[in-house]
Amino acid sequence: GAVVSQHPSRVICKSGTSVKIECRSLDFQATTMFWYRQFPKQSLMLMATSNEGSKATYEQGVEKDKFLINHASLTLSTLTVTSAHPEDSSFYICSARPGGTNTGELFFGEGSRLTVL
Amino acid sequence: QKEVEQDPGPLSVPEGAIVSLNCTYSNSAFQYFMWYRQYSRKGPELLMYTYSSGNKEDGRFTAQVDKSSKYISLFIRDSQPSDSATYLCAMRHSGYALNFGKGTSLLVTP
Repeated sequence: GAVVSQHPSRVICKSGTSVKIECRSLDFQATTMFWYRQFPKQSLMLMATSNEGSKATYEQGVEKDKFLINHASLTLSTLTVTSAHPEDSSFYICSARPGGTNTGELFFGEGSRLTVL
Repeated sequence: QKEVEQDPGPLSVPEGAIVSLNCTYSNSAFQYFMWYRQYSRKGPELLMYTYSSGNKEDGRFTAQVDKSSKYISLFIRDSQPSDSATYLCAMRHSGYALNFGKGTSLLVTP
């Protein structure tokens, strides 16, 4: 299957700082990428949909000014958690859909575990 | 009511058993159904992908979709300890955003 890489896999930061997470599609071009958040023993919750070259679409309840998403190229999307607080500690996972397909199969990154102290 | 319901388990079976995992859903517009496997602290890995109703088999895995009952299943034959993981069902309609179940934690004991 297609490979999606996320970096960093783990990050610990102080409250009030910003953290950037990168999501790369390694062997395909992704016109659409999705960012999910997963709390312990919970399902994946969609945060936002990111389309290359346009603004991200955020799900209800997700603060767009806090979770900045940039999808500047067909292989890279970034999520920046601004002014992070302990309640932002979670497992953030990106997924990507290969362009040129209509099956809608999504491939996931390995996830990034954020801990805010 | 959540759109996708999945029993979180945990489900414990002996090695070699047949495992049955299930999800129900409420949105009749869902057309694409997927099963993902997620190991601890890892991203989900796509196992099975099915469009509309019917069965799909891949090795020891069989996915079933019954749209009339809004019910999907994943069967694992000859289960192995390496199958121990959380299994997430996911589905979507014409858009590409997935709706996930909570995941069922499976433990296969030697």
